[in-house]
Amino acid sequence: DAKTTQPPSMDCAEGRAANLPCNHSTISGNEYVYWYRQIHSQGPQYIIHGLKNNETNEMASLIITEDRKSSTLILPHATLRDTAVYYCIVRITSGTYKYIFGTGTRLKVLA
Amino acid sequence: DTGVSQDPRHKITKRGQNVTFRCDPISEHNRLYWYRQTLGQGPEFLTYFQNEAQLEKSRLLSDRFSAERPKGSFSTLEIQRTEQGDSAMYLCASSRPGGATGEQYFGPGTRLTVT
Repeated sequence: DAKTTQPPSMDCAEGRAANLPCNHSTISGNEYVYWYRQIHSQGPQYIIHGLKNNETNEMASLIITEDRKSSTLILPHATLRDTAVYYCIVRITSGTYKYIFGTGTRLKVLA
Repeated sequence: DTGVSQDPRHKITKRGQNVTFRCDPISEHNRLYWYRQTLGQGPEFLTYFQNEAQLEKSRLLSDRFSAERPKGSFSTLEIQRTEQGDSAMYLCASSRPGGATGEQYFGPGTRLTVT
């Protein structure tokens, strides 16, 4: 699976948009980008995923560059409850579909 | 959809003892995964079941570890002769059949402490 690179930590003011970048420069054509978050001592929570088009759901937006080598997760109006570790994962769409997690970005939303 | 459940949530055991964890996936999900997470790290894949068949095991899964999913529903992960290095959060996840893009839903995890 392709590896991902994320900044180890970020801060964001409450009510502002949080933009979390992810680099996946070795991604293959059939690999999807997934985003999860993990709040302290809980299991990872699914946020969003995409292949090449931008995606939006009730939690977030996912922007994937045209060359698919990087993506950005956008939380449009961050709240204190969004403080968590955010993982960007690239997963091949065959075989076991297992996830290879990196160390993620620790997002702290500040009041 | 009641979510993935895991039992127990916490387990403290002495080195050398055996422990068993249980995972109940979402009812219609035929794929089940076990991951292990140590402090400050992302989860690491351990093993994968499709229905009752164990189709992949990570090199992290030493001979002391065994996982089963006898009827294709719940799964158990057993660790024999526990070591202090086994202390970690053990996470279970499940996903629905078909659909190459099906996301995995994680349980709350079982935190193991080996003293």
